[in-house]
Amino acid sequence: DIQMTQSPSFVSASVGDRVIITCRASQDIDTWLAWYQQRPGKAPKLLISTTSNLESGVPPRFSGSGSGTDFTLSISSLQPEDFATYYCQQAYDFPRTFGQGTKVEIK
Amino acid sequence: QVQLVESGGGVVQPGRSLRLSCEASGFPFNKYGIYWVRQAPGKGLEWVSLISYDGSNKYYGNSVKGRFSISRDNSKNTVYLQMDNLRPEDTAVYYCAKDRGHFLDYWGQGTLVTVSS
Repeated sequence: DIQMTQSPSFVSASVGDRVIITCRASQDIDTWLAWYQQRPGKAPKLLISTTSNLESGVPPRFSGSGSGTDFTLSISSLQPEDFATYYCQQAYDFPRTFGQGTKVEIK
Repeated sequence: QVQLVESGGGVVQPGRSLRLSCEASGFPFNKYGIYWVRQAPGKGLEWVSLISYDGSNKYYGNSVKGRFSISRDNSKNTVYLQMDNLRPEDTAVYYCAKDRGHFLDYWGQGTLVTVSS
């Protein structure tokens, strides 16, 4: 199975801060990577597909990059509604696998 | 608008079975695969299963392979997850989600399964 490792597991940040979350795959997954946002008590929401394609309605302060084994999710200026847990997911092979999550909390 | 509604969760004893349903609306159901993903209390997301648009291809996570079975009825816009020989570690919120090119673009609100004696 492809292992997905996110770092950090926890981020404490302030409104307006830039936040970068990284995701590393245990093998080359090309650009078959997605990012999801999950707010407390809610279902996950697809933010970015195929490494860098922003979903409709997702603010442009979110961006994704990378290829192969190393990927990043960037939030350019953190807003109150961005405090949530973020997961990466590989779509290269079965079983699909998620990272362990990165919780972004208010400092 | 796209909607996915899970049902069938509840409390069940270890070793017993449960069947979850995911009823979809708002898109051509027979053209899309459907996933099941679960989340144990306070934990991260775990991919469980995927069924292709026509039911011809099915995939399972390692922790449920041989115990869980996915199926669909396109006449009812519904996907099922048959869960047999349940274990306490299967306790989780189970989400169904619509496939879009290998990614999960719409999710239901989830149904809670608790496996406990």
